[in-house]
Amino acid sequence: SQQGEEDPQALSIQEGENATMNCSYKTSINNLQWYRQNSGRGLVHLILIRSNEREKHSGRLRVTLDTSKKSSSLLITASRAADTASYFCATAYSGGSNYKLTFGKGTLLTVNP
Amino acid sequence: NAGVMQNPRHLVRRRGQEARLRCSPMKGHSHVYWYRQLPEEGLKFMVYLQKENIIDESGMPKERFSAEFPKEGPSILRIQQVVRGDSAAYFCASSPTGTSGDTQYFGPGTRLTVL
Repeated sequence: SQQGEEDPQALSIQEGENATMNCSYKTSINNLQWYRQNSGRGLVHLILIRSNEREKHSGRLRVTLDTSKKSSSLLITASRAADTASYFCATAYSGGSNYKLTFGKGTLLTVNP
Repeated sequence: NAGVMQNPRHLVRRRGQEARLRCSPMKGHSHVYWYRQLPEEGLKFMVYLQKENIIDESGMPKERFSAEFPKEGPSILRIQQVVRGDSAAYFCASSPTGTSGDTQYFGPGTRLTVL
């Protein structure tokens, strides 16, 4: 079964720097989504990118998708202390049961003020 | 438009007791999904329901776990005779349709602790 895997597992940066997180997966997908989870809280949907898209922007977020390499990256520009959270990628399989999201273990981002 | 609501937010049970977790989807959403998150792990799919129907329960343990989404009222995830290994965060998500193009919106989760 496919599994999204984020890299790195943990990332610590200074406020104002950019943060890049990567996600790899194993099988063909319909779309890939990124979520944020603050400690002990629920998941907040950040962005969805479809398999026929290569790049998408939302505010300070930029997501890329390379289906040939089965990988995606999330870039957060000009980071803020409030961006401190765990970031998960989730993939929707392109075959049957494509409503199931498969999550990786996440990247823990710490933005130091 | 209120988001996905879950209650209780925290639930403590002793081994052998029953746990009932409730989820009210976003207004206009008739598709509900339950996921479980163990400590330091990502979320794992458990079950997908539409009103009065279980569509896919392939991620749910065969014993002690059940889920429903009645015509009226919230979706319920029920865990009978809880064991320590059931301690986890349980998240509910909803979407307007069941297609993969939909965004799934998550609730705040219920954190279950089994003593």
